[in-house]
Amino acid sequence: GDSVTQMEGPVTLSEEAFLTINCTYTATGYPSLFWYVQYPGEGLQLLLKATKADDKGSNKGFEATYRKETTSFHLEKGSVQVSDSAVYFCAPGFQKLVFGTGTRLLVSP
Amino acid sequence: DVKVTQSSRYLVKRTGEKVFLECVQDMDHENMFWYRQDPGLGLRLIYFSYDVKMKEKGDIPEGYSVSREKKERFSLILESASTNQTSMYLCASSGSGNILTGELFFGEGSRLTVL
Repeated sequence: GDSVTQMEGPVTLSEEAFLTINCTYTATGYPSLFWYVQYPGEGLQLLLKATKADDKGSNKGFEATYRKETTSFHLEKGSVQVSDSAVYFCAPGFQKLVFGTGTRLLVSP
Repeated sequence: DVKVTQSSRYLVKRTGEKVFLECVQDMDHENMFWYRQDPGLGLRLIYFSYDVKMKEKGDIPEGYSVSREKKERFSLILESASTNQTSMYLCASSGSGNILTGELFFGEGSRLTVL
């Protein structure tokens, strides 16, 4: 079945540092790809998505590009803020989403 | 504002009790899902439903059942709670047609502790 591998956290950065959270997946065919974010004490919410190869999803300064050749969807942000501290989930999916284990990001001032 | 509401944020139950977790969405969504979230395991799908009175097993359905009598409501039932069902339970919904074209909307979660 479909599966996804995310880099383990926590990822600890200083404010304004560059962020990369790696995500690779295995799937039959070409799923849509999603990044969800969970802020402390809240439910998950969609951060960005890409539905076909070479698409770039972006939102709130975060970006991720659908790489069919490497089956990857790495999340990046050029300059993180303290308010970006959260848990980030990568999720490829066909009829149902398969979530990664989540990567906790901690940003210090 | 679109909303998925889970009836209880925190529950404490005893082993062997029957537990009901309720989820209501106000977006007229066809698709509804129950996940559990555990440290180091991420989110795992328990059951989902594409329509009223319809249900399908997810990846970890053992020990759980669901009910969808109305479009807006999706209930998760633990017939006889066990300590290994202590977890955070997340309900989600999505719009009609292909799930891939839309996003999942999540509730805030229900943290269940089974003693």
